[in-house]
Amino acid sequence: AQSVTQLGSHVSVSEGALVLLRCNYSSSVPPYLFWYVQYPNQGLQLLLKYTSAATLVKGINGFEAEFKKSETSFHLTKPSAHMSDAAEYFCAVSRGSNYKLTFGKGTLLTVNP
Amino acid sequence: DSGVTQTPKHLITATGQRVTLRCSPRSGDLSVYWYQQSLDQGLQFLIQYYNGEERAKGNILERFSAQQFPDLHSELNLSSLELGDSALYFCASSDDDRGRVTGELFFGEGSRLTVL
Repeated sequence: AQSVTQLGSHVSVSEGALVLLRCNYSSSVPPYLFWYVQYPNQGLQLLLKYTSAATLVKGINGFEAEFKKSETSFHLTKPSAHMSDAAEYFCAVSRGSNYKLTFGKGTLLTVNP
Repeated sequence: DSGVTQTPKHLITATGQRVTLRCSPRSGDLSVYWYQQSLDQGLQFLIQYYNGEERAKGNILERFSAQQFPDLHSELNLSSLELGDSALYFCASSDDDRGRVTGELFFGEGSRLTVL
């Protein structure tokens, strides 16, 4: 069975600081990996996805994530946080042949002025 | 705007009652997914339909059922409601071929159900 672990349910950074949100996955076969963002009172929106092409994936709003098979990780980063980045971020995994997308518990990002 | 429409946005009802949540997918998307989001369980996959047929089931209770109609809209029926069913219910759609989750899911804004 596939699963996703997001380390840290809450991350707080200062505006302009590096954002690092951690995600580790377990999957018996090469997975498809995703990061989604949920702003208050909204649905989820795709930030980026890894589908076995380049291991460094660039997404929207300056975010990127690196797939590291040896570490089974897919951490999300952004060099400089902006106030508008405050939201909840979800890592998700799919095997491709499996029809369901499995989400992590989410990490709430707070950006302090 | 994701293009996925969910109604109602908010619903308050009593234990033992039955409610129906409605979802209209993005134009052209054949797959519809239902997810439940709660503080203790996080985002849980409930069920997926592809072009009118049930394709995958997740942690969906027997008291819950869903269907996808010929016009591709979907309904999630929740019956014999319990306090623990209070949650945000999301619908998502995608154009993935044969239900393979290799692409992007487009989420609606959710229906917030409160059971009193």
